[in-house]
Amino acid sequence: EAGVVQSPRYKIIEKKQPVAFWCNPISGHNTLYWYLQNLGQGPELLIRYENEEAVDDSQLPKDRFSAERLKGVDSTLKIQPAELGDSAVYLCASSLVGDTEAFFGQGTRLTVV
Amino acid sequence: AQSVTQPDIHITVSEGASLELRCNYSYGATPYLFWYVQSPGQGLQLLLKYFSGDTLVQGIKGFEAEFKRSQSSFNLRKPSVHWSDAAEYFCAVVLGTSYGKLTFGQGTILTVHP
Repeated sequence: EAGVVQSPRYKIIEKKQPVAFWCNPISGHNTLYWYLQNLGQGPELLIRYENEEAVDDSQLPKDRFSAERLKGVDSTLKIQPAELGDSAVYLCASSLVGDTEAFFGQGTRLTVV
Repeated sequence: AQSVTQPDIHITVSEGASLELRCNYSYGATPYLFWYVQSPGQGLQLLLKYFSGDTLVQGIKGFEAEFKRSQSSFNLRKPSVHWSDAAEYFCAVVLGTSYGKLTFGQGTILTVHP
């Protein structure tokens, strides 16, 4: 069974440019998470979806970050415009509804120059 | 403030030696507790979890962890470390009131010497 798939694995962009990350969760997992991992830190939750609904987006910086999960499967996280401080690893995870065990993808490492 | 603390940023052990990684939490109630491992360039893999019941939990790759309510701790242990255990280890919690939101510690980097 395929795990959580994220793309791209690496992305380098200039500041003020837009960027998007894509996540395909494990089949059948209705809950999807986006986490931000800064260098030397543990991941921090940005947003959590239950199917198509964002049920917790309190940590998402909505002035420049947006996310969507159309049809309750794949999800896209966007940053526009990117800032130098956005350089980090963006992790996607998924789980079954009601299950606290989340499965993580390999992440997208973003470098903003 | 509510938090998860991993006091050791970096630990070095020799292959075959025992290992203990520390984790403390500060919450009013007992949260759900987890240990994850992250190898370079990889995502997080769940090693073990504690919800309730027996305070000594067994995980994958020969790891175990013990929940001690009196110390608000959930330390990870392994009796004999292998070179392949070199990675970063994260303790994490989920509060009953914050279902689905993992709060992570800062991580402990484990180096294994041959």
